[in-house]
Amino acid sequence: DIVMTQSPDSLAVSLGERATINCKSSQSVLYSSNNKNYLAWYQQKPGQPPKLLIYWASTRESGVPDRFSGSGSGTDFTLTISSLQAEDVAVYYCQQYYSTSGFTFGPGTKVDIK
Amino acid sequence: EVQLVQSGAEVKKPGESLKISCKGSGYSFTSYWIGWVRQMPGKGLEWMGIIYPGDSDTRYSPSFQGQVTISADKSISTAYLQWSSLKASDTAMYYCAIQWELRYGMDVWGQGTTVTVSS
Repeated sequence: DIVMTQSPDSLAVSLGERATINCKSSQSVLYSSNNKNYLAWYQQKPGQPPKLLIYWASTRESGVPDRFSGSGSGTDFTLTISSLQAEDVAVYYCQQYYSTSGFTFGPGTKVDIK
Repeated sequence: EVQLVQSGAEVKKPGESLKISCKGSGYSFTSYWIGWVRQMPGKGLEWMGIIYPGDSDTRYSPSFQGQVTISADKSISTAYLQWSSLKASDTAMYYCAIQWELRYGMDVWGQGTTVTVSS
């Protein structure tokens, strides 16, 4: 199994400020034949199912505000919210979909307003 | 509109069997994968497994292999998650979601089915 870790567990950011979440995989999720990172980011608000924000590590899903961006390659990835809005309060998860023996999620990072 | 609609909340006793459903609409049900995710109360997301309704190709997370069965009935565009003998530790929210390819993010999600197992 590929193990996913995230840091921090939680963070509080002032409105309009930047929020940065890190995700690390126990082995590379970069597929060399197509140079794609098999890594997605999700947002989950209370009482709602998760929402896909970013896939291929840096491709924003249609309709996702451009204040959300993903970066990284191999084993280290980052989700950045450039200017935090009140509606961004949620738990954020990374997920690798590289290994078909199990598309594991990270433990989640809770984002709150300071 | 692409949509997944899951069956309603269930309350069961330990040892009972259960099958919950996930009905797809607005897209070609047999052409895309449907995955299942568990979320225990107050906890994170766990990927359980996935099925390709076109040919019933099914993959399981090692953590869930042998614990649940994933199936699909393409004639009614519905995927299923079932247990033969529930445990209290199966109490959770269960989500289904579409993966446009096997190795892809989970794009369209159902609303979730709450399963409570209690004596």
